[in-house]
Amino acid sequence: DQQVKQNSPSLSVQEGRISILNCDYTNSMFDYFLWYKKYPAEGPTFLISISSIKDKNEDGRFTVFLNKSAKHLSLHIVPSQPGDSAVYFCAAHYTNAGKSTFGDGTTLTVKP
Amino acid sequence: DGGITQSPKYLFRKEGQNVTLSCEQNLNHDAMYWYRQDPGQGLRLIYYSQIVNDFQKGDIAEGYSVSREKKESFPLTVTSAQKNPTAFYLCASSPRVGNEQFFGPGTRLTVL
Repeated sequence: DQQVKQNSPSLSVQEGRISILNCDYTNSMFDYFLWYKKYPAEGPTFLISISSIKDKNEDGRFTVFLNKSAKHLSLHIVPSQPGDSAVYFCAAHYTNAGKSTFGDGTTLTVKP
Repeated sequence: DGGITQSPKYLFRKEGQNVTLSCEQNLNHDAMYWYRQDPGQGLRLIYYSQIVNDFQKGDIAEGYSVSREKKESFPLTVTSAQKNPTAFYLCASSPRVGNEQFFGPGTRLTVL
């Protein structure tokens, strides 16, 4: 049973436009959510996170939205840049859990 | 400067041989993790450790073993019992379980 799902394996957007990456989860105990960015043959790097007590967190061009009732979160990138082209992983965690659970990732391609 | 290192970047082994992947961090992080990534798939947790001399199985621990004798080091042994060992292996650390994770550059293991 996959508790964190990223249903879109890939997304292509034009430079300057908005990129929206989606993530759904099933475990209502999750209380902390993270987004990571990964380039090929490298380790992921942390991008942004959100606690379940919030519904929005913003950091520069990146904003994460959390809809707890729908068990859904999304990452918005505005404006998108070609350097944003990478695989984006959503991860979820709950207090006292020893680990985070990752989604399968969405490959974002930003076209110049 | 601080970081997490994995060595080597590429590793080739013959089928039936055990192989140990190195992971070292100088971030003074308590928690460390090992993940496996296969082409087109997400990160699957092999083992994790919340503190020195303690570790827990992740989702795909069969055929792998770890040790955590020092805070800085969390080596992973891929044993001959692992049916499909060829993969990209990622090590990560975090200050405590639940914080964002810092990933190493990864080791690509190919079993011939």
